[in-house]
Amino acid sequence: GENVEQHPSTLSVQEGDSAVIKCTYSDSASNYFPWYKQELGKRPQLIIDIRSNVGEKKDQRIAVTLNKTAKHFSLHITETQPEDSAVYFCAARGLTNTGFQKLVFGTGTRLLVSP
Amino acid sequence: DGGITQSPKYLFRKEGQNVTLSCEQNLNHDAMYWYRQDPGQGLRLIYYSQIVNDFQKGDIAEGYSVSREKKESFPLTVTSAQKNPTAFYLCASLRDHRVLSTEAFFGQGTRLTVV
Repeated sequence: GENVEQHPSTLSVQEGDSAVIKCTYSDSASNYFPWYKQELGKRPQLIIDIRSNVGEKKDQRIAVTLNKTAKHFSLHITETQPEDSAVYFCAARGLTNTGFQKLVFGTGTRLLVSP
Repeated sequence: DGGITQSPKYLFRKEGQNVTLSCEQNLNHDAMYWYRQDPGQGLRLIYYSQIVNDFQKGDIAEGYSVSREKKESFPLTVTSAQKNPTAFYLCASLRDHRVLSTEAFFGQGTRLTVV
């Protein structure tokens, strides 16, 4: 089945710096890759996603890139702010043999942005 | 106010007891999921349900049971057979599991502690 690896597990940056979180996946059939942000004590919330027919997607300070050949995708946050501090999860979504959509998550990256 | 609600927020269980975690959604979503979140391990899939009266085991189903008698409800029972139940449990739902880019919505989670 699908396996998603995420690095680094923790990331500390200064306010205004960029942050990059990387994920790799194992199942070449996976074709949708969302990123979730989880603030302390709160539920995960979708911040950006990318489909396999797209190489890059941007939304203001956040961008995601996908390399299908290498089976890896990355989250890029520019001009980081203290409110970006949270745990970020990547995920890969594909279909099971019964046609069910299964979402497999990475282990999470704790991002700390210092003022 | 549409959403997905989990209760209780905190739950304490004595060893040997079964406990049931509630998950209710008023989003009219077909698919519902239960995940377990442990530090450093991301979100792992326990059970999922595509439709009423149907559910399937996820990656770590041992010691857990579910039911899906109503579209809006997907309760999770943590049985005494679950050897290490202390964790944060998240319920999620999808409008249409056949559409790959559908956003997954999460509940706020239940923190279960064995005492």
